[in-house]
Amino acid sequence: EDQVTQSPEALRLQEGESSSLNCSYTVSGLRGLFWYRQDPGKGPEFLFTLYSAGEEKEKERLKATLTKKESFLHITAPKPEDSATYLCAVQDNFNKFYFGSGTKLNVKP
Amino acid sequence: DTGVSQDPRHKITKRGQNVTFRCDPISEHNRLYWYRQTLGQGPEFLTYFQNEAQLEKSRLLSDRFSAERPKGSFSTLEIQRTEQGDSAMYLCASSLMFGTGVPQETQYFGPGTRLLVL
Repeated sequence: EDQVTQSPEALRLQEGESSSLNCSYTVSGLRGLFWYRQDPGKGPEFLFTLYSAGEEKEKERLKATLTKKESFLHITAPKPEDSATYLCAVQDNFNKFYFGSGTKLNVKP
Repeated sequence: DTGVSQDPRHKITKRGQNVTFRCDPISEHNRLYWYRQTLGQGPEFLTYFQNEAQLEKSRLLSDRFSAERPKGSFSTLEIQRTEQGDSAMYLCASSLMFGTGVPQETQYFGPGTRLLVL
């Protein structure tokens, strides 16, 4: 069965301390991998779409990369306002979407 | 266009009551999805529409749940005879799916409706 696993479940960083979040997946043909940011009590906010292995996308302090088995969300010199839950989702060849449980990031000043 | 909107944002109801949620997608989007999210989990797929046609329903969607998208615009999700286990955030997302030429689609989410069943 298609699955999406995110790690770690929670991550605490000091402001300026760079790190990476992982999303590993098993899916029947990957059509797209998506990263979202979710603040408490709000809907997920779209960040990136990645289509094929080797692709990279960047936005401010965030950079997403994709391999055949996993994706990484790299956070460079994070700020407290980057604190949120980061969700990964995959779309398979049957147009089904599967979300991971998210990584809760807390950036301390 | 300001994005996907959902109404109400919060709903408290007693067990056994019926509730209805509304979602207004981004205007040019032809696909509309409903998800349920519980605390500490990612969104779980419930159902989706392409225009007015409901193309798929998750087995999570019991007979007490029904969704409509008349005229392919806004959508409603109704839960009949609510149970305490229905308490969750109900999320709506919309996307623009081209023909067969574009293999992937990006979903944009609304703010969600938080349901509490007492």
